[in-house]
Amino acid sequence: KQEVTQIPAALSVPEGENLVLNCSFTDSAIYNLQWFRQDPGKGLTSLLLIQSSQREQTSGRLNASLDKSSGRSTLYIAASQPGDSATYLCAAHAITQGGSEKLVFGKGTKLTVNP
Amino acid sequence: EAQVTQNPRYLITVTGKKLTVTCSQNMNHEYMSWYRQDPGLGLRQIYYSMNVEVTDKGDVPEGYKVSRKEKRNFPLILESPSPNQTSLYFCASRTANNEQFFGPGTRLTVL
Repeated sequence: KQEVTQIPAALSVPEGENLVLNCSFTDSAIYNLQWFRQDPGKGLTSLLLIQSSQREQTSGRLNASLDKSSGRSTLYIAASQPGDSATYLCAAHAITQGGSEKLVFGKGTKLTVNP
Repeated sequence: EAQVTQNPRYLITVTGKKLTVTCSQNMNHEYMSWYRQDPGLGLRQIYYSMNVEVTDKGDVPEGYKVSRKEKRNFPLILESPSPNQTSLYFCASRTANNEQFFGPGTRLTVL
């Protein structure tokens, strides 16, 4: 059974710092891995999608990497800003034992960027 | 604008009173799904649909029904809501390369 873990659960940094959020998954049989951002009481916004054949994706100040063999993904945020404060979720698009597929979410890392 | 919409955004109801949360997407996606999000438990899938008239259970389907009569709509039905269904609900649709897009959420309170 696929499980996704995100560490740390919460992170507080001063503005301008570069930071890394971690995501690990137990089963390397994934289609892809997707990072989301969620603001309090709001929906999920897709940030980056990494296909299983890729090693990284970049969008602006964000860079996500994927290492299937070790079951890890990281989200790198450069030059953090207070507006980056949110909960960041990673989700593995997993292949189930029955041959179907589903998105398995981590519980998220709550990021606070202090001015 | 490409989006997933849900209605209502907020709903307070009483135990046993049937309700429907609508979900619609304008991206012609075949795959749609419903999740609930609870503190400490994260996001869990309720039901999903691979295409019109094709639905299947997710991880927590008990107490819920869905239908997929047309591609753009995927309503979530609670025939007899109970307090343990108080939660934040999200509808999502997925592109051909498996990127998921989520609706804004429906906060449901069952008294």
